[in-house]
Amino acid sequence: NAGVTQTPKFRVLKTGQSMTLLCAQDMNHEYMYWYRQDPGMGLRLIHYSVGEGTTAKGEVPDGYNVSRLKKQNFLLGLESAAPSQTSVYFCASRGSSGRAREQFFGPGTRLTVL
Amino acid sequence: AQSVTQLGSHVSVSEGALVLLRCNYSSSVPPYLFWYVQYPNQGLQLLLKYTSAATLVKGINGFEAEFKKSETSFHLTKPSAHMSDAAEYFCAVSDSRSGSARQLTFGSGTQLTVLP
Repeated sequence: NAGVTQTPKFRVLKTGQSMTLLCAQDMNHEYMYWYRQDPGMGLRLIHYSVGEGTTAKGEVPDGYNVSRLKKQNFLLGLESAAPSQTSVYFCASRGSSGRAREQFFGPGTRLTVL
Repeated sequence: AQSVTQLGSHVSVSEGALVLLRCNYSSSVPPYLFWYVQYPNQGLQLLLKYTSAATLVKGINGFEAEFKKSETSFHLTKPSAHMSDAAEYFCAVSDSRSGSARQLTFGSGTQLTVLP
């Protein structure tokens, strides 16, 4: 099993450009999450999904959109990138059975917006 | 609403010394609590979790944490630090209620340095 994978690993954008980050998991997990990590701020939740076809806003959703058309994939889109979106983005997934199932994290995507 | 405070953004210990990383939480409902570790340029890996069973939780790599409701704390300890423990550590809290999406709220992280 590959676990949680993220594509791409690195990306540089110019202000105003758009891009999509892809997260894929092969563990048949119901829940998927997108976080951003900034120095001194830990990880903050952008959007999440509790199942195929559903999405919900997290703590810092502005400037981002998401889609979950397939259970195994969770896409994060930036329609018009801004320098404030320079960050490391992590995707995570979690199973739905049992208590407090841990979230499994991908390796991250480092995004720079110039 | 939930929040996590990690006291000390940087902690340095000598190899073989006790590691103590502090975490205090705020939650209006009984929480689930987690400690994750992040090595340079990698994702997060679960060290241990508290799920309302035993209050003393043992994790991987010799780490353990104790849930203290009266102090709203979940401090991470390891009796003897190893060079390979150098990493950033995150404490996180989630809602324990049935039907919750169990999204995590993270602390700001503690960078652990182990000195030879």
